Amino acid sequence: AQSVAQPEDQVNVAEGNPLTVKCTYSVSGNPYLFWYVQYPNRGLQFLLKYITGDNLVKGSYGFEAEFNKSQTSFHLKKPSALVSDSALYFCAVREPGNTPLVFGKGTRLSVIA
Amino acid sequence: DAGVIQSPRHEVTEMGQEVTLRCKPISGHDYLFWYRQTMMRGLELLIYFNNNVPIDDSGMPEDRFSAKMPNASFSTLKIQPSEPRDSAVYFCASRPQGSYQPQHFGDGTRLSIL
Repeated sequence: AQSVAQPEDQVNVAEGNPLTVKCTYSVSGNPYLFWYVQYPNRGLQFLLKYITGDNLVKGSYGFEAEFNKSQTSFHLKKPSALVSDSALYFCAVREPGNTPLVFGKGTRLSVIA
Repeated sequence: DAGVIQSPRHEVTEMGQEVTLRCKPISGHDYLFWYRQTMMRGLELLIYFNNNVPIDDSGMPEDRFSAKMPNASFSTLKIQPSEPRDSAVYFCASRPQGSYQPQHFGDGTRLSIL
């Protein structure tokens, strides 16, 4: 069965510093991996995805994520955090085939000015 | 382009009443998903449809919950009778064919059962 773990409930970072939000996954085949962001009173917004190819994928708002197959990880990163990046971040995984996305529990990112 | 549209955005009703949540997916999307989000349980998949046909409803918590998709542009999630523990934010999402495609979410319905 597919599963996703986001080991940190909360990540705090100072504005201008690099940020990392961690995600590990478990699937039986090759994964499709996604990151979403949720702002207050809004739905989840797609940030980026890894399907195949280059392990470093770039997405919206300057975010990027690195796929590491040996560590089964897909950490979200940004070189310089903004206060406006403060939100709830979800990692999700799907095996090829039309199964639903499996979401992690979410990590709340707080960027402090 | 219009995204996934959900209505109402907020619903407050008394226990025992019937509640109907509505969703209009993105045009051309073949899959539609209903989720529930609470602080305690996080994001839960309730049911999903492919080409208007329910595929998996194993996440529907009880028989009080039902969902329909009468056509490609409309779906409803109904709770009858409602209970206070049903209070949550309910999201609808859609995506095209292709399991590499991301899901697109509506802004949800915040449901409060008194």
